[in-house]
Amino acid sequence: GQQVMQIPQYQHVQEGEDFTTYCNSSTTLSNIQWYKQRPGGHPVFLIQLVKSGEVKKQKRLTFQFGEAKKNSSLHITATQTTDVGTYFCAGPGGTSYGKLTFGQGTILTVHP
Amino acid sequence: DGGITQSPKYLFRKEGQNVTLSCEQNLNHDAMYWYRQDPGQGLRLIYYSQIVNDFQKGDIAEGYSVSREKKESFPLTVTSAQKNPTAFYLCASRSRGGTGELFFGEGSRLTVL
Repeated sequence: GQQVMQIPQYQHVQEGEDFTTYCNSSTTLSNIQWYKQRPGGHPVFLIQLVKSGEVKKQKRLTFQFGEAKKNSSLHITATQTTDVGTYFCAGPGGTSYGKLTFGQGTILTVHP
Repeated sequence: DGGITQSPKYLFRKEGQNVTLSCEQNLNHDAMYWYRQDPGQGLRLIYYSQIVNDFQKGDIAEGYSVSREKKESFPLTVTSAQKNPTAFYLCASRSRGGTGELFFGEGSRLTVL
């Protein structure tokens, strides 16, 4: 079945450094979503990308969807301690409408 | 205010016991989901339902059961057949329109003693 792989699993950065997490799918995705989960919390939706090559920005966060629609990335510029958490990508799970498959997530730690 | 309510937040059970986790939403969403979260493994889909009285198995449905008798409710039963039930369980819902984003509840942490 369709798989969504995410790397790295862990990332430790100093405050002010940049951070990137990558998401790769074994199949072409119609869209991809990104979520953030704070420690002890629940995932919260960040954004959805739909178009091939799409780039979207939210303040210090930049999201990209690959030309082939099989990969995506989230880049954070100048991390802050408030960026701490786990970042997940998620894509439609095969042909069944409504199924959403998540990557394993990247746990980001930011050292002040 | 609208949202998803999961209960209980923490639950302990003995081996061999079934337990039911509650999930209620007042967002008027058609689709509801149950995910299991284990450290380092992301979110794995257990069951999902796109409409009342219908649901589909996700990737790890063995040892779990669900029902969808009302639009607002999607309870998950963790049966004694689930070999490793200790985990964090997340319920989510989404509407058919818009971005299709998932709205999550705060989760239920189940510990089997």
